[in-house]
Amino acid sequence: DVKVTQSSRYLVKRTGEKVFLECVQDMDHENMFWYRQDPGLGLRLIYFSYDVKMKEKGDIPEGYSVSREKKERFSLILESASTNQTSMYLCASSLPGSLGSPLHFGNGTRLTVT
Amino acid sequence: GNSVTQMEGPVTLSEEAFLTINCTYTATGYPSLFWYVQYPGEGLQLLLKATKADDKGSNKGFEATYRKETTSFHLEKGSVQVSDSAVYFCAPPSGGSNYKLTFGKGTLLTVNP
Repeated sequence: DVKVTQSSRYLVKRTGEKVFLECVQDMDHENMFWYRQDPGLGLRLIYFSYDVKMKEKGDIPEGYSVSREKKERFSLILESASTNQTSMYLCASSLPGSLGSPLHFGNGTRLTVT
Repeated sequence: GNSVTQMEGPVTLSEEAFLTINCTYTATGYPSLFWYVQYPGEGLQLLLKATKADDKGSNKGFEATYRKETTSFHLEKGSVQVSDSAVYFCAPPSGGSNYKLTFGKGTLLTVNP
């Protein structure tokens, strides 16, 4: 079974701190994604990557950056955390291909910025 | 690009009631379609999938048929249980060069005993 592991389940940070959210997958997937999930807004795509060192903006990239130095690891970076970035963050991975393949999600990191 | 429109909730049902959650999509080519479920406190997990027209995906009593003529992939279950209470997401069609997978808000289902 594919495993997507997010390094922290809960995180509390202060406004202005630099925050790293780490995600590792163990199935050699090319595609990786970062989403945030908020009540009433559903799942929103922040960034995605379809190969090492490749990244593309999703729907809400402002205030975030990402890093994909190795295939298995996709990091989400909040350069200067703000209270409106308090949210549940979900990482996912998938295989590429013309037939499409399902996303495999981690259990999420609940980030609180105070 | 590919996109999906999902019925918004919340949906509240009594145990053993019939469930339908509507989902329609726009896509180019011949995408695969998926439904995901998120139980409280967890990440999303794949519920079922269909990879071509007229395919029926099924799992845990849930079913969805890939209908190309109506561009729909509605989720159904004949008799829901309390344990089915969760948020359900119809996923954007995937495949080809479409990497940007933008989900909708999901549908919160609450099943009362």
